[in-house]
Amino acid sequence: DAKTTQPNSMESNEEEPVHLPCNHSTISGTDYIHWYRQLPSQGPEYVIHGLTSNVNNRMASLAIAEDRKSSTLILHRATLRDAAVYYCIRGVGNEKLTFGTGTRLTIIP
Amino acid sequence: EAGVAQSPRYKIIEKRQSVAFWCNPISGHATLYWYQQILGQGPKLLIQFQNNGVVDDSQLPKDRFSAERLKGVDSTLKIQPAKLEDSAVYLCASSLGVGAGTDTQYFGPGTRLTVL
Repeated sequence: DAKTTQPNSMESNEEEPVHLPCNHSTISGTDYIHWYRQLPSQGPEYVIHGLTSNVNNRMASLAIAEDRKSSTLILHRATLRDAAVYYCIRGVGNEKLTFGTGTRLTIIP
Repeated sequence: EAGVAQSPRYKIIEKRQSVAFWCNPISGHATLYWYQQILGQGPKLLIQFQNNGVVDDSQLPKDRFSAERLKGVDSTLKIQPAKLEDSAVYLCASSLGVGAGTDTQYFGPGTRLTVL
């Protein structure tokens, strides 16, 4: 089972940090964790991915638990443009990425 | 760097008609994907090409959907005949092709299909 579990929706205030959780309790040692987001009326866009260590890029940070059964996407300072559906996806070997329904993030001005 | 291009952006057809979508991936990307996204759901992979060969078409309804990737670059997805339940956004994505588990996919804007 390559599924992940995410909350259906979250809200956050503008200019505050946002922590988006994801559970992947059946993950194996070689599976990557990918995050994509989909802004309204657009195709999904890549946010970040990682294997074991925490990862940072210009968009976000990815914190992976030591047992790798969960991870958190961190947006350091949310803006209105970060309102989107965020997908947490396990990358299993050469298998296709399977998108769930994601977390709909609402930013409150 | 130019992104993934798709056309048309919107299409409205009657059921039982045919429709085709076009995708131009990012230059140099070996892998091309077609996804179907029904309102309120995440994208579902229909077909994956590696260069001009099919890697995965397990979720493509082959009685009505077909896809090809000419010369390993552009791709077309066709529906013939369309049903009401085909109303969705059709997304094209491409990636370098280093491995599905680690590849970063770049998505186009999608084509919104409405079947009446």
